[in-house]
Formats: sequence, C-alpha cells, structure tokens
Amino acid sequence: GQSLEQPSEVTAVEGAIVQINCTYQTSGFYGLSWYQQHDGGAPTFLSYNALDGLEETGRFSSFLSRSDSYGYLLLQELQMKDSASYFCAVRGGNTGKLIFGQGTTLQVKP
Amino acid sequence: EAQVTQNPRYLITVTGKKLTVTCSQNMNHEYMSWYRQDPGLGLRQIYYSMNVEVTDKGDVPEGYKVSRKEKRNFPLILESPSPNQTSLYFCASSLGARTGELFFGEGSRLTVL
Repeated sequence: GQSLEQPSEVTAVEGAIVQINCTYQTSGFYGLSWYQQHDGGAPTFLSYNALDGLEETGRFSSFLSRSDSYGYLLLQELQMKDSASYFCAVRGGNTGKLIFGQGTTLQVKP
Repeated sequence: EAQVTQNPRYLITVTGKKLTVTCSQNMNHEYMSWYRQDPGLGLRQIYYSMNVEVTDKGDVPEGYKVSRKEKRNFPLILESPSPNQTSLYFCASSLGARTGELFFGEGSRLTVL
C-alpha cells in the first residue's frame, strides 16, 4: 500500500532548530510537499521538493532524497507561532492522487 | 483576492438527508480535490478532478459524489449521510495535478446525527 510516516509529536524551545522527518512508500512519485495547520484552521503550503536536495524559504527548509524515499522539514529560529501541525504529502505517479502523512504536532516552548 | 471558498462552514444534519458542500476557486486552477480530516488520521483524499468533467476517486470515496461541470466549482455531495461521515472537510485547488502548492478552503465542519 501507500503510506507516509512522520513523528506524531515534537517539542522544542523558542529559538531552536527542529527537524520533522517523513518517509514514504508510494507507487510512483511526483514530489513531496509540506503543509502547516494551526488548530481549527486550513492547511497552508510551506514547501515542495520534486528533485533531490534542499529547498530554502526563509526560516523553513525542506530536503528530499528520492533514493531513500525520505524527506524532512527544517524549521530554524523557532517562534511560538510555529506551534502547529505539520503534514508531509506525496503525489503518487501519473494521477491526481495525493497522500498525506498523519501529521506532526510541534509544540514550541518559551 | 485569490481564494478557495467552501459553504457551509458548519452544518449539523441527520442521517439520510442529502446535502451538498460547495467549493469554488477564483484562480483558474485545473486541479481540485476534497479531503476529510479526522483526529489521528490526518487528511485523506476523497475525490479529485484534473479538469472539467474529469473526476476520480481518492482514498476514501465511499458515500460521496462529486461533479466538475465548470472549472471554478467542485461540489461534494453526500447522498445519504451517515454518522461516520461526521468530519472536517477541506476543498483544495492547484494550478495542475503536478504542481506542488495546494490552496485550501477554510473547511466545513459536518456533524451527522
């Protein structure tokens, strides 16, 4: 079957760096995306990797290794407002199917 | 303002009473999709549409129908809702099926009694 695995919870302190990992098993692959969701809100897009390597967008970076079926989201200079759920998502193959991980709840402490 | 609009945002209904959740986007996106979100299960895709008149099943299509008669609209239909369809529903769109960035609506919280 198709699945994505990510840790359920991560805790870090303000100003620190945190890495959220995502491993995937899918038939076909068209890129790994990351989304942020605050409680009760809509998911918002953070980053997308179609090719191996690092993508940087401000304090957030995302990495992909297609040979390892693995990616991560790196959040630097953590702020309290970064407390949220983070989801990885993979588009599988030549279809419009999109599979999400179960989400990682990040708690940032003062 | 570029946006995806869902209605209603909140709905309480009873088993078997047909309902439609509307979704509209103003970005001329080709790809649209529906998800349900349940605690501990993340977001699960219900249906998607690659373009007008082209729809296909996601991972959890049972009990749902969709249609894509116009590019901007992608309604989700529950012909005979059941309590296990109580959930938070999100509509999303993107430029194309291979585009990384999905734009999500604000969500529709549905309760079926």
